[in-house]
Amino acid sequence: TQLLEQSPQFLSIQEGENLTVYCNSSSVFSSLQWYRQEPGEGPVLLVTVVTGGEVKKLKRLTFQFGDARKDSSLHITAAQPGDTGLYLCAGAGWDSNYQLIWGAGTKLIIKP
Amino acid sequence: GAVVSQHPSWVICKSGTSVKIECRSLDFQATTMFWYRQFPKQSLMLMATSNEGSKATYEQGVEKDKFLINHASLTLSTLTVTSAHPEDSSFYICSASVFQGGNYGYTFGSGTRLTVV
Repeated sequence: TQLLEQSPQFLSIQEGENLTVYCNSSSVFSSLQWYRQEPGEGPVLLVTVVTGGEVKKLKRLTFQFGDARKDSSLHITAAQPGDTGLYLCAGAGWDSNYQLIWGAGTKLIIKP
Repeated sequence: GAVVSQHPSWVICKSGTSVKIECRSLDFQATTMFWYRQFPKQSLMLMATSNEGSKATYEQGVEKDKFLINHASLTLSTLTVTSAHPEDSSFYICSASVFQGGNYGYTFGSGTRLTVV
């Protein structure tokens, strides 16, 4: 059974602080995706990392894929209240039938 | 980009009735669609995987006679919750896999909030 452990599951910090969310697995994925979900809406894709060791930046968000393609991290610099939401990582495979393997999610609250 | 339209956004129904949720791919053909259920503040739980023209594959513990999935065309998949009970109240989300840029990506519907009273 493939698992993707995401931590922390809940994080509440002050505006301006930095934070990192981790996703770890013993399985190798073809890619790892990060989503953000607002209450009452479907997940929205933030980024897909594909190559081992890859780093992608999206404004104040930095995503990294581990060299072995088993783990990934999301780092937010100078968090803002608008970053509040549920962040989900998901591991993907190599064919269309491959179901995404989801992390448990990180509920992030940024206090002004 | 690939867009998935899910309807309705929310629905309230009485116990014992059936509810149909539709998921349409608007600008691409969705060979494979996934149906998820999500409880408050939790991650997505896969219910079933459906391929166009064939029977859906249900995850362990999901009653296929209760959650009927039909994927009759490459642009439409439906989930019907039959004989709904209050414990079926949840947030249901569909997703389609799309091959883009050399990898399979996943695009999600906006979700359906089902409340059974």
